[in-house]
Amino acid sequence: GAGVSQSPSNKVTEKGKDVELRCDPISGHTALYWYRQRLGQGLEFLIYFQGNSAPDKSGLPSDRFSAERTGESVSTLTIQRTQQEDSAVYLCASSLYVGGSGNTIYFGEGSWLTVV
Amino acid sequence: AQKITQTQPGMFVQEKEAVTLDCTYDTSDPSYGLFWYKQPSSGEMIFLIYQGSYDQQNATEGRYSLNFQKARKSANLVISASQLGDSAMYFCAMREGRYNQGGKLIFGQGTELSVKP
Repeated sequence: GAGVSQSPSNKVTEKGKDVELRCDPISGHTALYWYRQRLGQGLEFLIYFQGNSAPDKSGLPSDRFSAERTGESVSTLTIQRTQQEDSAVYLCASSLYVGGSGNTIYFGEGSWLTVV
Repeated sequence: AQKITQTQPGMFVQEKEAVTLDCTYDTSDPSYGLFWYKQPSSGEMIFLIYQGSYDQQNATEGRYSLNFQKARKSANLVISASQLGDSAMYFCAMREGRYNQGGKLIFGQGTELSVKP
């Protein structure tokens, strides 16, 4: 597709269950990002993948959160043993691995997660 | 330490007037990029404008311009001739690192802009 694609768009899960959120970046984009946005708040960085380099996991809030990326394509964010405070929109973004103004980062529409 | 600071939680502007949204940043890296995004109530993040730390001129994109004051570490967004459709949350963001290396994008807390008819 033309843009960053995320699924599911909405997910309601019970506390304690595991969830997987998927992101398909724009074709050819080597950089991929995950962010969390709680209601009415800013974007919180979670993890960043760049090509074959080791991912920057410095934003993951706990060991219940993990993410993988297959080559330079699909990424999956997994939240284990979900808690109510995990309720948020999870945004994925991608960019080309070039410098200057060409390095615009494009966002998907997000996955809305509600933990009940 | 807060890397990106947006001090205006909310702003009002009259339609057709110009408005400035403030953003200050903190970095010791000489190479960085500054971004502004718009997030309407629908939730999508829309890229507006980019400024590189080595760019000699302030970035402009249509009605959007970035007032880049490097010594003051500020990157304010100016929207000229505001329109009702400009009502949204606006986020300033920074990415550190060399131009050819990318890096994570850190966001400010956002400013909610309301345009009055």
